[in-house]
Amino acid sequence: KAGVTQTPRYLIKTRGQQVTLSCSPISGHRSVSWYQQTPGQGLQFLFEYFSETQRNKGNFPGRFSGRQFSNSRSEMNVSTLELGDSALYLCASSPRNTGELFFGEGSRLTVL
Amino acid sequence: GESVGLHLPTLSVQEGDNSIINCAYSNSASDYFIWYKQESGKGPQFIIDIRSNMDKRQGQRVTVLLNKTVKHLSLQIAATQPGDSAVYFCAENYSGDRGSTLGRLYFGRGTQLTVWP
Repeated sequence: KAGVTQTPRYLIKTRGQQVTLSCSPISGHRSVSWYQQTPGQGLQFLFEYFSETQRNKGNFPGRFSGRQFSNSRSEMNVSTLELGDSALYLCASSPRNTGELFFGEGSRLTVL
Repeated sequence: GESVGLHLPTLSVQEGDNSIINCAYSNSASDYFIWYKQESGKGPQFIIDIRSNMDKRQGQRVTVLLNKTVKHLSLQIAATQPGDSAVYFCAENYSGDRGSTLGRLYFGRGTQLTVWP
């Protein structure tokens, strides 16, 4: 069974640009969560989606947005990039409401 | 800010010894706790979880202890192996965030475990 797939794995952007990251959950998993990981702040919750609906949102500015499609695939978008947005963005899927999240390897974003 | 923290950022143990990784949390409303392992270049991997109605739970070579009185969580790894070298995170969750889905997890900063031969 394929794991959680995130694309792209690495990307470099400049300040002011926008970026879209993609996540394909494990087949059959309907819940997808996104986390930002930085050395300074650690792992921070961005959002959670289930059946195309955002169920929870973390404390990030409105520049961070996401969506989920009918096939459970999810995307997140960051507009007007800032240097501080440089981070590893992790997507996780789950078949149920437990902590047994299955994380992808992440998309490493560098903002110059 | 984060409500979960770690007592030690690094831990070095000899292969075969037992490891204990500690975690403190401050949100008394948290009722569900999880430990994750993150190897270099990979996403976190679920190890074990425990709900607040328990004070101990065992898995394969791992045991999680929960002390709600002092808001403390620990992960014990028996017979630590080189493959256990990784960063270990505790995470907390509370039912206010959880419905039909898990909701928000609050992660600690992590402990780097190094196992030497």
